[in-house]
Amino acid sequence: SQKIEQNSEALNIQEGKTATLTCNYTNYSPAYLQWYRQDPGRGPVFLLLIRENEKEKRKERLKVTFDTTLKQSLFHITASQPADSATYLCGGQAGTALIFGKGTTLSVSS
Amino acid sequence: DTEVTQTPKHLVMGMTNKKSLKCEQHMGHRAMYWYKQKAKKPPELMFVYSYEKLSINESVPSRFSPECPNSSLLNLHLHALQPEDSALYLCASSQDPKAAREKLFFGSGTQLSVL
Repeated sequence: SQKIEQNSEALNIQEGKTATLTCNYTNYSPAYLQWYRQDPGRGPVFLLLIRENEKEKRKERLKVTFDTTLKQSLFHITASQPADSATYLCGGQAGTALIFGKGTTLSVSS
Repeated sequence: DTEVTQTPKHLVMGMTNKKSLKCEQHMGHRAMYWYKQKAKKPPELMFVYSYEKLSINESVPSRFSPECPNSSLLNLHLHALQPEDSALYLCASSQDPKAAREKLFFGSGTQLSVL
């Protein structure tokens, strides 16, 4: 079955460092990948979308890449801040709907 | 207005109760979704409405009954739920029914507890 996998459940880093989160997809090739931020008890908030023919996309301190050879997307937060602490979800196209990985919970300590 | 509003925020119900979750958006989006999220798990797609018609039902038990009265409103009717149905129920919308091409706007969810 089509799967989006985020194998790191948790990532702890120090303020100011770059956080790198990984998303892999298996058994299919999504044309689009999306990244969302989710805070406890709240709905996910959209951050970035990248198409399979785009290598990289940036928005302020965020950068996402799409590697169709490795079947992987990397999500980077540069100059991380404690306010960046949250769960980050990777979502992939499955037909006309979006399926999500389990998410990676990022904790940024000051 | 770029919000998706869900009510109620919290709901406790017994297994014999009937209740409804409501979702509203005024962004003119033509696709609306229900997702279910258990603690520390990803959101799981339940239903998709495209132009007010049910287009996807992910084999959801009949004790969950969706309804889309108009393009701005989405309801989820609940009846005879089980304790394992306790979860955060998220509503989302997107401009284009081909959702994966563009971002989803999520509501804050309804935290449901079934006793």
